[in-house]
Amino acid sequence: QKEVEQDPGPLSVPEGAIVSLNCTYSNSAFQYFMWYRQYSRKGPELLMYTYSSGNKEDGRFTAQVDKSSKYISLFIRDSQPSDSATYLCAVSRQLTFGSGTQLTVLP
Amino acid sequence: EPEVTQTPSHQVTQMGQEVILRCVPISNHLYFYWYRQILGQKVEFLVSFYNNEISEKSEIFDDQFSVERPDGSNFTLKIRSTKLEDSAMYFCASSERRTGELFFGEGSRLTVL
Repeated sequence: QKEVEQDPGPLSVPEGAIVSLNCTYSNSAFQYFMWYRQYSRKGPELLMYTYSSGNKEDGRFTAQVDKSSKYISLFIRDSQPSDSATYLCAVSRQLTFGSGTQLTVLP
Repeated sequence: EPEVTQTPSHQVTQMGQEVILRCVPISNHLYFYWYRQILGQKVEFLVSFYNNEISEKSEIFDDQFSVERPDGSNFTLKIRSTKLEDSAMYFCASSERRTGELFFGEGSRLTVL
């Protein structure tokens, strides 16, 4: 089983939609969970950082961690065309990345 | 806003040549990392570095790779004898704490011919 599995996408939504991005992980010892956004040919940019379980909100972005089911989610409200990018989940200190979900928000 | 900077942005080299990729981490950060992303694939951890020594390394980081912090600001990744499969984007990252958020540079694209 892969350490981190991410819904492959690609995902295409209309502007203003709520987007849900998800990952599962295998190692229950993981404590650090992050979401990165990566534009084409650019470095990953940290969006959300969560330690242990629970929710974290930052503007239009909400990260959820459910350690009981080893499931992490990122919600984007009122999605904008500028949100079009690849979204990477990452776990643990040294970061094991998911394969990324390519999101396109259509104007 | 402080950022991680990487040079060169793109390097083309012949197979078997040595390559050095350079990074300037954020100034108050103490933990440094290299990651690799082959085109179309996931970002993969290579190595972490703290207190002038390697903390952890992945299976990818074999004897052809080395890292160094030659002065107070630069952090380098050297590939001793490049192979075709080393062609990838190489990302440097740094963090303030061992468990802190990692901040990535823009990447160095390496093309091995």
